[in-house]
Parts: sequence; structure tokens; C-alpha cells
Amino acid sequence: KNEVEQSPQNLTAQEGEFITINCSYSVGISALHWLQQHPGGGIVSLFMLSSGKKKHGRLIATINIQEKHSSLHITASHPRDSAVYICAVRLASQETSGSRLTFGEGTQLTVNP
Amino acid sequence: DTGVSQDPRHKITKRGQNVTFRCDPISEHNRLYWYRQTLGQGPEFLTYFQNEAQLEKSRLLSDRFSAERPKGSFSTLEIQRTEQGDSAMYLCASSPRFAYEQYFGPGTRLTVT
Repeated sequence: KNEVEQSPQNLTAQEGEFITINCSYSVGISALHWLQQHPGGGIVSLFMLSSGKKKHGRLIATINIQEKHSSLHITASHPRDSAVYICAVRLASQETSGSRLTFGEGTQLTVNP
Repeated sequence: DTGVSQDPRHKITKRGQNVTFRCDPISEHNRLYWYRQTLGQGPEFLTYFQNEAQLEKSRLLSDRFSAERPKGSFSTLEIQRTEQGDSAMYLCASSPRFAYEQYFGPGTRLTVT
């Protein structure tokens, strides 16, 4: 079982829909990252959070440390939101040894006009 | 462009050949990470540098792989005697001192024929 699990693997939505992508992890973490990857490979960091909720534009990320679960929400989705969304965690054991990330497999989001 | 850069962006090589990739992190970022991503999967950690010191290597990094960061600035990742299973996107990321946000480069896509 992967340490970081995402669902769904694939998601197709119509423009304007509210979208939720889920991430569950099984290990102690010090932070969780949500990343966006467009075709061609470039990865952009969307959020880094260790508690509560963060909002940036139409994107909202929440985390529940007790339940080891995070969600990424996209409001009023748009075709340009089509990308792979990846959840990644920084293990608590990595706090003093480099802070490398452990990644989920990603969620392919397609938003149709 | 002051982001993380990687060169080349694409590399096609024949099985058995050696390849070398370069990563230039954001200036003054002291931490540098290499990840590998195969199609449809999330990235996997390969190795990590703090300044010029290679502090952590994944078990994925067989003895055919070697990485260096000689002056604590750019880094190279060399794969010797490439195999078809090495075909993947090789991603580099860097982090500033005292912060955990990782900034990713565009990646080098390797195809071994």
C-alpha cells in the first residue's frame, strides 16, 4: 500500500462544476503539498499546509491531521484547470534530514467546455 | 528566467549508452532534489543534496546512477549503461535555506530505445 493515496485517479467535469480531489496518507507528516502538473512535465506548487485550510483564487486546500486526510477543491472549474494534481507529503521523520517529498500517483483532471 | 532549469529537455538514447543531465537550481537555494517519474505515476525520490553534500540516496538509485553537485550550485545526474526501464521524466527541484517549498524544473524526458 502506498504511503500516499489519491482519489479519484481520473476526473472529468463540465466547466463551472465544483471539483474535489482527495488525498489520504498513512504516515506521520510535517506538511502536505498540493502540486499541479501540466502536459510536458512542469510541476507548480499550489499549496503547502500543515493544518487547517488555505485559499488561493478558486483553489481551496484543507487538511485534517487527525484523520490523515486532505482535499483540494476547485470552484467554478475552467478548461485551463485541466492538469494532473499531485498530493505530496513531507514525512515527520524527514524534518531534520532533507525534507524530501513522498508523492501520490496523481489525479488527472479534465474540464470540458 | 530565474526558475529551476534542466538540460536537456529531451534525450533519446540507445540501450547501453551513458547519459548525463544537468540541473541549475534557483540561485542561493542550498537544497537540491532529484526525482524520477514514470508514465502515469507520481514522482519518486532519487537523491538529495544540501550544498555540495549528497545526504540521502534512494534504493532506486542503483550503482549505474551517480549524482554530483560539485560547488553547491548546479547538479548532474549520470546514468551509465542505460536500460529501457530507465525511460522516465527526471525532475529536479530546489529549496531555499530554512524553508520547505520545493521549486521544480521542467524535467528531462529520457527515452531509451
